Amino acid sequence: NAGVTQTPKFQVLKTGQSMTLQCAQDMNHNSMYWYRQDPGMGLRLIYYSASEGTTDKGEVPNGYNVSRLNKREFSLRLESAAPSQTSVYFCASSVDREDQPQHFGDGTRLSIL
Amino acid sequence: GENVEQHPSTLSVQEGDSAVIKCTYSDSASNYFPWYKQELGKRPQLIIDIRSNVGEKKDQRIAVTLNKTAKHFSLHITETQPEDSAVYFCAASNRGSQGNLIFGKGTKLSVKP
Repeated sequence: NAGVTQTPKFQVLKTGQSMTLQCAQDMNHNSMYWYRQDPGMGLRLIYYSASEGTTDKGEVPNGYNVSRLNKREFSLRLESAAPSQTSVYFCASSVDREDQPQHFGDGTRLSIL
Repeated sequence: GENVEQHPSTLSVQEGDSAVIKCTYSDSASNYFPWYKQELGKRPQLIIDIRSNVGEKKDQRIAVTLNKTAKHFSLHITETQPEDSAVYFCAASNRGSQGNLIFGKGTKLSVKP
């Protein structure tokens, strides 16, 4: 089983460029999440989707947009990348949002110059 | 909103010793407490979780204890091995914060052979 798959694994962007990070899960989970991980900061929630057709802001949503394309796929878009968005991005999914373990993808390492 | 504090930030033990990592949370409505292990360059992986109706849970060399009155929970690893070396994250969630996980900042555990 693939679990949660993220693409790309690495990306380098210039300031002002845009890009979309892709995430897909094959576990038939209802809820999906995007986190960013910075040194010494733990995992911070950017956006989440409790179920297909819904999305909501997390702790650090500024500069990002998301799309829950269908039950399997949840994408994260940077419209105009900034150096402060250099980070490792993790997608996760869970059966539903409450009291359930989250399963993470391998992450996307994003550098913005 | 929920706040999770994790201590210590780094922990070094000799192989075979025990390791204890502690987390405190602020919201008394929190009811789900997972622990994740993240090896260098890898995804966070769930190693154990506990819900608020249980005081202790054990899985082989790993145990978690929960003190709801004091609002803290701890991860205990016995008979540590070099492969236990990783960063460990605690998290807490409650339905009042829409069920989202709030993560601690992590503990880097080093097990010396």
